[in-house]
Amino acid sequence: GAGVSQSPRYKVAKRGQDVALRCDPISGHVSLFWYQQALGQGPEFLTYFQNEAQLDKSGLPSDRFFAERPEGSVSTLKIQRTQQEDSAVYLCASSLGAGHSAYEQYFGPGTRLTVT
Amino acid sequence: KNEVEQSPQNLTAQEGEFITINCSYSVGISALHWLQQHPGGGIVSLFMLSSGKKKHGRLIATINIQEKHSSLHITASHPRDSAVYICAVRFRIQGAQKLVFGQGTRLTINP
Repeated sequence: GAGVSQSPRYKVAKRGQDVALRCDPISGHVSLFWYQQALGQGPEFLTYFQNEAQLDKSGLPSDRFFAERPEGSVSTLKIQRTQQEDSAVYLCASSLGAGHSAYEQYFGPGTRLTVT
Repeated sequence: KNEVEQSPQNLTAQEGEFITINCSYSVGISALHWLQQHPGGGIVSLFMLSSGKKKHGRLIATINIQEKHSSLHITASHPRDSAVYICAVRFRIQGAQKLVFGQGTRLTINP
């Protein structure tokens, strides 16, 4: 596709449910990032993949959060036993380069998760 | 904890006014991004810069590396410029590039 896509765009989950959020990066992009954006705040880094390798997961807020990118393209962010504080927009971004390069990141439209 | 600070947090102006949004950061960076976010969450990259000044249409971005400060200017502002503008800095930590975002500046341009 032309850009980064994410699905679903909106997700309502009951507290305690598991959710899975999908990101389709731009084809050929090596790097993939997940961010969490609370209402009225800037995005905050969650995790980073270079191809299929998860090189940085320091931003994941708890062990209920898990991300994977098994074939180096599509990525899934899974949240287990959702809590109300997980309500946020989850943004995915991809970039062509990797490592120390300063390639531009292209953002998806985000998934708005509401935990009730 | 904020490594990236933006000001103002909210800005309302009349159509045609010259707009300035500021961004200060506290760490050495490899690049700085200005992003635009419209309601609904989609983020568009406006500029990526590591020195000097860039211009695109009515938008101008400047950065002063020594002072750790960047500004985004909008000339002849228009209601369609209404959005949240986010500054993000890229720095290297433990061998990986990381992007840290400011909290955003909500801009409203009234006709």
